Amino acid sequence: RKEVEQDPGPFNVPEGATVAFNCTYSNSASQSFFWYRQDCRKEPKLLMSVYSSGNEDGRFTAQLNRASQYISLLIRDSKLSDSATYLCVVNMCDNNAGNMLTFGGGTRLMVKP
Amino acid sequence: GAVVSQHPSRVICKSGTSVKIECRSLDFQATTMFWYRQFPKQSLMLMATSNEGSKATYEQGVEKDKFLINHASLTLSTLTVTSAHPEDSSFYICSAQGRLNYGYTFGSGTRLTVV
Repeated sequence: RKEVEQDPGPFNVPEGATVAFNCTYSNSASQSFFWYRQDCRKEPKLLMSVYSSGNEDGRFTAQLNRASQYISLLIRDSKLSDSATYLCVVNMCDNNAGNMLTFGGGTRLMVKP
Repeated sequence: GAVVSQHPSRVICKSGTSVKIECRSLDFQATTMFWYRQFPKQSLMLMATSNEGSKATYEQGVEKDKFLINHASLTLSTLTVTSAHPEDSSFYICSAQGRLNYGYTFGSGTRLTVV
């Protein structure tokens, strides 16, 4: 079983739609959680951190459910520029290795006119 | 904000040659550097973690003699792909973490093609 699992998609949605991505992680010792966005052939860029209380940044809302080991990202009013791959990322502090980021496989979003 | 400069952005090399990729932290001290590899349509896979002045810790399945990592200073880490083969063709990305910076700053990536 992968440590961080995401539906690879692609999610094809029209402009203006609301779309939700889910992610599950297997290590209950995971400490912090992020959503990254990666455009084709580019490096990942931090979209937002995910907090237990849930957090919102404009059209983006992220939620964390530690009991279910589940993270979500909601995008409202999708724009063409939102087309990208969204990576669920989990950070764990290992006594030997220190901080470690584990990436999900990514969910591809395509927003169409 | 924190910036990591990664070079080269693209490189094509002949099979059997070695390629060096550099990552420099421009405005902070990178105490830890992570090196990732990403194959087409796949996610980033951690190759190794290096702390300044220490030997790198390699992930299972990554050959330390083939992927040489040097992190001799707080602002520079290098990954050398030795005796490259076509199956080493991939997108290599570094990510730096500073002493006081909880976040991770990614380099812009290096696309390696071995012919």
